[in-house]
Amino acid sequence: EAQVTQNPRYLITVTGKKLTVTCSQNMNHEYMSWYRQDPGLGLRQIYYSMNVEVTDKGDVPEGYKVSRKEKRNFPLILESPSPNQTSLYFCASSLSWQTLPYEQFFGPGTRLTVL
Amino acid sequence: AQRVTQPEKLLSVFKGAPVELKCNYSYSGSPELFWYVQYSRQRLQLLLRHISRESIKGFTADLNKGETSFHLKKPFAQEEDSAMYYCALVTKGGKLIFGQGTELSVKP
Repeated sequence: EAQVTQNPRYLITVTGKKLTVTCSQNMNHEYMSWYRQDPGLGLRQIYYSMNVEVTDKGDVPEGYKVSRKEKRNFPLILESPSPNQTSLYFCASSLSWQTLPYEQFFGPGTRLTVL
Repeated sequence: AQRVTQPEKLLSVFKGAPVELKCNYSYSGSPELFWYVQYSRQRLQLLLRHISRESIKGFTADLNKGETSFHLKKPFAQEEDSAMYYCALVTKGGKLIFGQGTELSVKP
């Protein structure tokens, strides 16, 4: 089944403890992206990647890192999480940004709480 | 500045009534615009894109460059339309900008 998976789905952690949220897609998509969803603010893009080894900042990249060593994986790294990073995180992928249709396929979300 | 604005947090209508979810954008180039929907306990999914000029589940959206708007419309709302709706814009550089979202509640 074609899908985007994220792990873990739920995570409670403490301030300063490094964590990684994994994202994987099995559709051979070139484009992958991370978003956070907060009440009243909608979805905001954190980082995106046009292809392997190509990443770029979205609107809210501070406090996050990403890497794209292989096409299928796009992990989100929080080196020193803080309470203001408590949020619902979504990973998404799409075929390519060079051609239409640009449809993004979203993962199920990861709910992160930083105490 | 590149921005997508959805002025209504919540829109509540009765079944069978017309629906219009507003979306305004700010973008210097030629925009690529989309509507995404998130039903309760489900993933976000694409509803429609302006380039296709399609109608999905009875919804349509027309790009009005003069008013910089991309409002989502449906002539007769159904209860199963209740969901969170997001308008989104794609920049030339591949960045995706979402609006704040509008929760649509269709009452019986």
